[in-house]
Amino acid sequence: SSELTQDPAVSVALGQTVRITCQGDSLRSYYASWYQQKPGQAPVLVIYGKDNRPSGIPDRFSGSSSGNTASLTITGAQAEDEADYYCNSRDSSVHVVFGGGTKLTVL
Amino acid sequence: QVQLQQWGAGLLKPSETLSLTCAVYGGSFSGYYWNWIRQPPGKGLEWIGEINHSGNTNYNPSLKSRVTISVDTSKNQFSLKLSSVTAADTAVYYCAREGIVVVPPAFNWFDPWGQGTLVTVSS
Repeated sequence: SSELTQDPAVSVALGQTVRITCQGDSLRSYYASWYQQKPGQAPVLVIYGKDNRPSGIPDRFSGSSSGNTASLTITGAQAEDEADYYCNSRDSSVHVVFGGGTKLTVL
Repeated sequence: QVQLQQWGAGLLKPSETLSLTCAVYGGSFSGYYWNWIRQPPGKGLEWIGEINHSGNTNYNPSLKSRVTISVDTSKNQFSLKLSSVTAADTAVYYCAREGIVVVPPAFNWFDPWGQGTLVTVSS
């Protein structure tokens, strides 16, 4: 099965832009989806497909993809964006795979 | 708006079988995959497996020998059984609905999620 690799931790100054990346062979044929998870809560979908946001997700969240790398960008990070972020796709065996997660700190 | 509500035993002894059920409220059961995902304390998400409304299943190869996922469409519920649990199976277990687009470029997504159930395996 394929793996998805994320940086363990990223930080961003309040109001600045941050990009969280996810790398894996499966991303050459699958868009990633992205989830935000705050302590003690279930993950919440923030981006799926090419760059789709579920209802209620602020437009400062956006997604992009190039080659084997998917990115989640937060433009104008807010204090409430501090959380763990996970990417997800399916591999060539159609098994679901998750990245290891990125802890985002808003300074 | 679709909601998932899950329940099951939260404390197990080693070698016992974990059993969780997830009920789907407010939406159709068909057209989606219904998944179980777990998260050990302080760690990342691990996919366990999935089932569709027809009962077709797909499991994580690392857990396949111990996992059974079943569906009861008459009740809009699906269930997880994980046999021979050990301390390594201690985790928060989530149920989640998965949408999939298979026409390239393909993508999938999990939404909504259940509230999570902490399952602790301890003697």
